[in-house]
Parts: sequence; structure tokens; C-alpha cells
Amino acid sequence: DQQVKQNSPSLSVQEGRISILNCDYTNSMFDYFLWYKKYPAEGPTFLISISSIKDKNEDGRFTVFLNKSAKHLSLHIVPSQPGDSAVYFCAASAWGTGNLIFGKGTKLSVKP
Amino acid sequence: DSGVTQTPKHLITATGQRVTLRCSPRSGDLSVYWYQQSLDQGLQFLIHYYNGEERAKGNILERFSAQQFPDLHSELNLSSLELGDSALYFCASSVASGGERDIQYFGAGTRLSVL
Repeated sequence: DQQVKQNSPSLSVQEGRISILNCDYTNSMFDYFLWYKKYPAEGPTFLISISSIKDKNEDGRFTVFLNKSAKHLSLHIVPSQPGDSAVYFCAASAWGTGNLIFGKGTKLSVKP
Repeated sequence: DSGVTQTPKHLITATGQRVTLRCSPRSGDLSVYWYQQSLDQGLQFLIHYYNGEERAKGNILERFSAQQFPDLHSELNLSSLELGDSALYFCASSVASGGERDIQYFGAGTRLSVL
């Protein structure tokens, strides 16, 4: 049973436009959410996180939104750049546990 | 560069063999996590060590084991290898003991191919 779901395996966006990556979760015990970016042949790189006490966190071009009632979070990238092309993983953890539960990832392609 | 070092980068071995994957955490990090990523899958948590002690286990097979040494590096041992064990194995490290809202930093991974 997948506790963290990224239903879009891929997304293609034009340079300069907004990229919106979505993530749904089922476990109501999750209270911390992270987004990682992964390039081929590299490990995941931390992008941005949000705790369950917030509904929005912003860092430069990246904003994460959390809707607890819908058990949904999204990552917005504005403006999108070709260097943002990568696989994006959504991850979650529950208080008292350190391990992360990952979605399967969304491959973002930003076209010039 | 995340500061987490994994060796080797690639491993090719045969079924039934045993291999050891090594991870050196970031300076100052006491927690080490191991994850497995099979083809087209997300990362699956295997095991967590904090300051030499096992803290949590995920879906880790009995043929797999790990340990964290006094210098905080960790090794993941995979034995009686099967074709299905072919995957990317990632190590991550963090400061906290687990449970706190903490960021994990990942190494570049070891790609294991079992032929």
C-alpha cells in the first residue's frame, strides 16, 4: 500500500512558466514533508520542506503548499528553468520516526 | 556535494554472492539511513542507525544486515544475492536521532547489478 503517491510520472513545462508537482498521502500520522530533486547518476538533493503546522513554505523560486484536510501537497516552481529538469520526489515522515516514505517521483522536463 | 560518501559507485556480482556497501556520513551527523531504489520505484527505507545503535528497520530482508562503526561510517551487507536485489542503494545522514523534523542528506548511491 503506497502511503505517498505522485500520480504524474512526468510533466513537461515551457521555460519561464510555472511547474506544479503534486503529491498525495494517506497516513494521517505524517507531520513533516520534504521535496527532493534527483539528477541521473546522483543522489537525491534536498529542496524544501514543510511541517504540518504550516500550510505554505517558500524558498526563492520554490514554494510548497500543504492541504492537511485533503492530505495533499504541491511544489510550485516559478519561473521554471531548463536546469530544473530532473526527477522530483515527495517524501514524508511521522513524528517519532526518522525514516522517510517516498513517492515514486515525477520527471520534470523544462523546455527552452 | 552533499558530504555523504558512498563506495563503490558500481558493483557487478553473481547470484549467491555477498557484497558490502560502505557509507561515510557528513561530518557531525550521527544518523545513517539506508534506502533501496529498484527500477521505476521510489526509495524504500531499509534501516536506520544512530551513533552505533540500530534505531529502526523497514522492509529489510533477513539476507541483508547493517552496522555503524565507532567512527560513524556504516556498512550494508547483502548476502545470498538474487537477481531481484539489483537496485540503487542510497545512504543518507542527518544530525538528529530520528523523530525530530530533520533533513536527510543523500550520497550518490551504489548501483548493484546481480547477474
